[in-house]
Amino acid sequence: LAKTTQPISMDSYEGQEVNITCSHNNIATNDYITWYQQFPSQGPRFIIQGYKTKVTNEVASLFIPADRKSSTLSLPRVSLSDTAVYYCLVGELGGYNKLIFGAGTRLAVHP
Amino acid sequence: EADIYQTPRYLVIGTGKKITLECSQTMGHDKMYWYQQDPGMELHLIHYSYGVNSTEKGDLSSESTVSRIRTEHFPLTLESARPSHTSQYLCASSDQTGGQPQHFGDGTRLSIL
Repeated sequence: LAKTTQPISMDSYEGQEVNITCSHNNIATNDYITWYQQFPSQGPRFIIQGYKTKVTNEVASLFIPADRKSSTLSLPRVSLSDTAVYYCLVGELGGYNKLIFGAGTRLAVHP
Repeated sequence: EADIYQTPRYLVIGTGKKITLECSQTMGHDKMYWYQQDPGMELHLIHYSYGVNSTEKGDLSSESTVSRIRTEHFPLTLESARPSHTSQYLCASSDQTGGQPQHFGDGTRLSIL
């Protein structure tokens, strides 16, 4: 399972765009990149998933360069409610895979 | 929203008691997981199941045990609780064809006195 590295914490202000970068140098050919969000006293919630290039949904965008050794989660115009821990994971979609959660990035959005 | 439920949400109990944490999902998912998370720390996989009568230990050693008699139900049991078991326990599930994404419950926060 590929190991990921993310910044421990980030600070931002309401209305700004936030980019969280994750390094995964040992990503395998069949691995996908998935991001989860976790609020205090709740379980993680799936945000976005991708394999290469760019993926966008109603919540975020995910940018993956050609070598796939890193990825960037982009949150447009954050609000106070986006204050949470964000986890980057890599792994196969199917089969009998297990997910390895790292420490995540603690994002604090200020007024 | 994913339909995965954990009970109780909070439990404070004395040392030596037998505890069962419940986890149920209504999505028909074959894969289910238990994670342990201390406050402000990362999640650690302690048990997982790929279907009925299938259970495996995860990456973090745990004194707890699990069972999977029905697809929708994946309870975790501590035979004799100790203060070192104090933590948050999160249950998750995913469907057969894809291990991701995992759908999480809101967890049980367990405190052993």
